[in-house]
Amino acid sequence: DGGITQSPKYLFRKEGQNVTLSCEQNLNHDAMYWYRQDPGQGLRLIYYSQIVNDFQKGDIAEGYSVSREKKESFPLTVTSAQKNPTAFYLCASSPWTSGGETQYFGPGTRLLVL
Amino acid sequence: AQTVTQSQPEMSVQEAETVTLSCTYDTSESDYYLFWYKQPPSRQMILVIRQEAYKQQNATENRFSVNFQKAAKSFSLKISDSQLGDAAMYFCAYRSWTSGTYKYIFGTGTRLKVLA
Repeated sequence: DGGITQSPKYLFRKEGQNVTLSCEQNLNHDAMYWYRQDPGQGLRLIYYSQIVNDFQKGDIAEGYSVSREKKESFPLTVTSAQKNPTAFYLCASSPWTSGGETQYFGPGTRLLVL
Repeated sequence: AQTVTQSQPEMSVQEAETVTLSCTYDTSESDYYLFWYKQPPSRQMILVIRQEAYKQQNATENRFSVNFQKAAKSFSLKISDSQLGDAAMYFCAYRSWTSGTYKYIFGTGTRLKVLA
């Protein structure tokens, strides 16, 4: 079955700790995205990547970092510089060809601060 | 910059009745895509329906249809014969072409309650 997987489902971060959220897709999509969702708000874009070894900052990139070493994988690291990391994180992907307008989402990771 | 506005934080509908969720957007582009996503309590985002701006015909997917008014920049979602499983957050989204890439802009969502 083709799809997007995110792990872990729940993640706990201690003060001053970096944590990494995993996102893998087997849809052969070129573009991948990370969003943050807070209560009462829509999805806010953290980072996105159109192709391997290239990525761009979204609207709220401060305190986050990403890599795109493989087409299938786009991990997100929440660094200690992110002072309010508690949120629900969604990974998404989409094709980069005509007809590939729809964005597909993973099941999400809930990050909580201890 | 493009924006998406959902002015109804919460809506309620009786089971089997029809409900319409509103969405407006602001853009200077002439060709774009619009989407409605559903987020049930599981928090998985599910595509409900999409609309291509250059198509005059309103998109329909079973009980879900849209009223796309391009000049008014309005994109409402109509759910007919509402079912308990329709209860969820609904997000309107716009795909923009910005700085040489596609970005998706989401509204703040409408929580739909379905009453038995």
